[in-house]
Amino acid sequence: KAGVTQTPRYLIKTRGQQVTLSCSPISGHRSVSWYQQTPGQGLQFLFEYFSETQRNKGNFPGRFSGRQFSNSRSEMNVSTLELGDSALYLCASTLQPTGGVDTQYFGPGTRLTVL
Amino acid sequence: GNSVTQMEGPVTLSEEAFLTINCTYTATGYPSLFWYVQYPGEGLQLLLKATKADDKGSNKGFEATYRKETTSFHLEKGSVQVSDSAVYFCALSDGYNQGGKLIFGQGTELSVKP
Repeated sequence: KAGVTQTPRYLIKTRGQQVTLSCSPISGHRSVSWYQQTPGQGLQFLFEYFSETQRNKGNFPGRFSGRQFSNSRSEMNVSTLELGDSALYLCASTLQPTGGVDTQYFGPGTRLTVL
Repeated sequence: GNSVTQMEGPVTLSEEAFLTINCTYTATGYPSLFWYVQYPGEGLQLLLKATKADDKGSNKGFEATYRKETTSFHLEKGSVQVSDSAVYFCALSDGYNQGGKLIFGQGTELSVKP
């Protein structure tokens, strides 16, 4: 089975622009979570989607948004980029969305640099 | 709220040395506990997990035991190799209340010298 894929792998944007990142989960997985990884703040949960609905949300401003499609693929969008948004954005998929004990499988991440 | 605390790195060991990376947590309820590993330039890979008290997770020579009485999930390996050099993250999931949300520790960088 193919793993979690994320596109693009690297992205350079300038302040004020917006960006869209894509995540394709493992086949059959229906839950997708997004995380931001920075040297200063570490790994922080952004949000989780299941059945095209946002099920959980972390403490990020409204400039960060996401969605999930009927095939479970997910996108996240960051509008009005700030320098502090430079980070590695990781996507993870899970087979069982409830119960919480199932493993999250991570993609390789998208490295976003904001200039 | 829920949180995870790991020992600070970097940790530098010689090959074949014994490894311990401490991890303690604060959580309401009964979380599941995980260790993930991140190699340079890559995403996170699950190393091992434990879903209830006294469970021992193990994989590739690494072990960790879910200790509810000490709220700990320390990672151990008897003999490290150069290829184990990576960043290790302890994480918890209070899945019944938080769905797919993982809370991570700050990560511990391990460097193994030949």
